[in-house]
Amino acid sequence: DIVMTQSPSSLAVSAGETVTINCKSSQSLFGSVRQKNYLAWYQQKPGQSPKLLIYLASTRESGVPDRFIGSGSGTDFTLTISSVQAEDLANYYCQQYYDTPYTFGAGTKLELK
Amino acid sequence: EVQLVESGGGLVQPGRSLKLSCAASGFTFSNYYMAWVRQAPTKGLEWVASITNSGGSTYYRDSVKGRFTISRDNAKSTLYLQMDSLRSEDTATYYCTRDGGSYDYWGQGVMVTVSS
Repeated sequence: DIVMTQSPSSLAVSAGETVTINCKSSQSLFGSVRQKNYLAWYQQKPGQSPKLLIYLASTRESGVPDRFIGSGSGTDFTLTISSVQAEDLANYYCQQYYDTPYTFGAGTKLELK
Repeated sequence: EVQLVESGGGLVQPGRSLKLSCAASGFTFSNYYMAWVRQAPTKGLEWVASITNSGGSTYYRDSVKGRFTISRDNAKSTLYLQMDSLRSEDTATYYCTRDGGSYDYWGQGVMVTVSS
């Protein structure tokens, strides 16, 4: 199975800051046929279902604010949230869908400082 | 508007069975793969099972293989998860998701508690 390692596990921020969440996969997620990285990011607020933010490593899902930016390729990926707002406080998960079983990172909890 | 509504959860004793359902609406159900993803209390997300749009192929994580069965009724736009021989480690919230590799729509989740 592909292991997804997220860091940090938690992050305390002030409103307006820019934050970076890292995700490393145990093998490359780059598909040579479509030339894409099969990596997604999700946001889960307390008591809610996860919400897809980013797919194919850097494509923002419809309706997701442009302060959420996904980047990276191969085995190293980043979710950047610029100018964090109070509504962004949540758990964030990366997920690979390059190979089954599809696997998730353990999550990063974004908290208010 | 896409909606996925799960039902069928509850408290069940170890070794017993439970069947979850997910009613889909707002999209052409028969065109999409579907999946179940679970989340143990205070834990992360874990893929459980997937099914192709026709229902002709199914996929399971190793820990549920032989115990869980994913199925669908395209005429009713409904996804199912039959869970047999339940174990305490199956305790989780189970989410029905639309499976495009990434999961673009999620239900509200249904809690399954396996305990004596």
